[in-house]
Amino acid sequence: AQSVTQLGSHVSVSEGALVLLRCNYSSSVPPYLFWYVQYPNQGLQLLLKYTSAATLVKGINGFEAEFKKSETSFHLTKPSAHMSDAAEYFCAVSDRSGNTGKLIFGQGTTLQVKP
Amino acid sequence: GAGVSQSPSNKVTEKGKDVELRCDPISGHTALYWYRQRLGQGLEFLIYFQGNSAPDKSGLPSDRFSAERTGESVSTLTIQRTQQEDSAVYLCASSLTVVAGPSTDTQYFGPGTRLTVL
Repeated sequence: AQSVTQLGSHVSVSEGALVLLRCNYSSSVPPYLFWYVQYPNQGLQLLLKYTSAATLVKGINGFEAEFKKSETSFHLTKPSAHMSDAAEYFCAVSDRSGNTGKLIFGQGTTLQVKP
Repeated sequence: GAGVSQSPSNKVTEKGKDVELRCDPISGHTALYWYRQRLGQGLEFLIYFQGNSAPDKSGLPSDRFSAERTGESVSTLTIQRTQQEDSAVYLCASSLTVVAGPSTDTQYFGPGTRLTVL
């Protein structure tokens, strides 16, 4: 079975500081991994995804994530936080075993950006 | 182009009533998913459609929950005899197809329906 664990339900950073949101996965097959962002009262928006190509994936709004098989991790980073980055972030793995493509989500991390 | 839309955006109902939630996927997307997001939690998968068939219903929490889809278009999630624990945001997502190929695995989400059962 596949699963995702996001370490830290709340992360607070100062504007301009590094953003690091942690995600670890468990998967018996090569995973497809995703980061989604959810702004208040909005649906989820895809930030980036890893689908077995380059291990360093660049996404929208300056975010990137690195797939590390040895660490079973897919942490999300951004060099300099902006106030508009305040949102909830979800890491997910695609369930490829049943070939349905359904996503298995972590519990989410709320990012607070302080001025 | 138009994204995934859901209606209503908010629904307040009394315990024991039936509710219907609607999802309009992106045109041409054959795959459609329903997820549930309880307060402070991640998303839970409910059901997956490929066209109008539902090969994976494993996430439906009880037989009070059902869903249908018309062709490759609208889907309706029905909850009968609602209970307070059904209160959540119900999210719908669509994707082009689940046939192997990274570019087709992205799911596009609607804004959700917030269901409150009193």
